[in-house]
Amino acid sequence: QMQLVESGGGLVKPGGSLRLSCAASGFTFRDYYMSWIRQAPGKGLEPISYISGSNTSTYYVDSVKGRFTISRDNAKKSLYLEMKSLRVEDTAVYYCARTVGYCTSTVCYFDYFDPWGQGTLVTVSS
Amino acid sequence: EIVLTQSPATLSLSPGERATLSCRASQSVTSYLAWYQQKPGQAPRLLIYDTSHRATGIPARFSGSGSGADFTLTISSLEPEDAAVYYCQQRSNWPTFGPGTKVDIK
Repeated sequence: QMQLVESGGGLVKPGGSLRLSCAASGFTFRDYYMSWIRQAPGKGLEPISYISGSNTSTYYVDSVKGRFTISRDNAKKSLYLEMKSLRVEDTAVYYCARTVGYCTSTVCYFDYFDPWGQGTLVTVSS
Repeated sequence: EIVLTQSPATLSLSPGERATLSCRASQSVTSYLAWYQQKPGQAPRLLIYDTSHRATGIPARFSGSGSGADFTLTISSLEPEDAAVYYCQQRSNWPTFGPGTKVDIK
């Protein structure tokens, strides 16, 4: 049974940092892209970052580029999101998700996300 | 960026009724559209991928159809546990989700 478990969320002041982790089990972790998707309170779903299975390619939405860093450790079957210079608008539940799809040199096609972790809440507030 | 629009925003139906949810894209996404169910306080769950393929463990009452820019998720006979928000997602370029349709069970 595929499973993803996130950890690392919490309350942080604006400008602060946080590191999220996601532990995977039940599938061949290194064979898949992985994603971080966030959901602000009462809002919709926003994919923010992806990483290739081989750890060679990463992608970010403009709003987090330069502040967030996605990484993975295939030996530990773990995904990470390092978040710096956090802003109030980064407040959200952060989900990790196994990502089915592929990227070319110019564009990514991610068919779907399955499974998702249970989510971890990040609150940025003074 | 491809924008997805979902309608209606809210659907209120009784158990056993048929629910029809719509997802419209700002341009063609061919057949690469997925649907997710999110219950309160839970993570989204994949229901349908590639327009009409049910994900593992999804009941047969859930079905998807459509092509190009117009897609439909149908729940043939609503169960109380189907109360949730349903999101569509397209894969082209940078994946995006629709704003969701909330399904209430009377």
